Amino acid sequence: DVKVTQSSRYLVKRTGEKVFLECVQDMDHENMFWYRQDPGLGLRLIYFSYDVKMKEKGDIPEGYSVSREKKERFSLILESASTNQTSMYLCASSFGTGARNTEAFFGQGTRLTVV
Amino acid sequence: AQKVTQAQTEISVVEKEDVTLDCVYETRDTTYYLFWYKQPPSGELVFLIRRNSFDEQNEISGRYSWNFQKSTSSFNFTITASQVVDSAVYFCALRRYNTDKLIFGTGTRLQVFP
Repeated sequence: DVKVTQSSRYLVKRTGEKVFLECVQDMDHENMFWYRQDPGLGLRLIYFSYDVKMKEKGDIPEGYSVSREKKERFSLILESASTNQTSMYLCASSFGTGARNTEAFFGQGTRLTVV
Repeated sequence: AQKVTQAQTEISVVEKEDVTLDCVYETRDTTYYLFWYKQPPSGELVFLIRRNSFDEQNEISGRYSWNFQKSTSSFNFTITASQVVDSAVYFCALRRYNTDKLIFGTGTRLQVFP
């Protein structure tokens, strides 16, 4: 079974802190994604990566950055956390591109609260 | 522009009732993929089905069935004889052929009461 693991289920951070959310997948997937989930807004894509050291902005990249130094690990970084970044963060991975692309597999989510 | 609309924010039913979750999508592409995911209270999105735009056959998997109609740009999901374990948030999503990104609807929260 594909496993996507996020390092924390719950996090509480202070405004202005630098926050790292870690995600690891064990199926050698090329593609990895970070989504943010808010009530009434569904899931919105923050960043994604289709290869090591490669990244592309999603729909809401402002205030975030990412790092992918190894194929299995994709980190989301909040450079200076703000209260409007309080949300559920979901990591996902998938294999292949275009017609070969599989469904995305998701981690269990990290609920981040910024106080 | 690509968009997925799930107009039903929340649905409540009693066990054993049938329930249909609506999904309407917008795309100008001729090739695309549609998905349904389930998010139980544990938080992890669970993949249910993927359908490509050339396959309009309806699909049935146990108590679950999906009705894909390109003429109305809809991909609706029906649960027959609902159970309490079906209580979750359900997301419909769209992916363009030449990208790997999913575009999600806002989700429908289904509550099944005993």
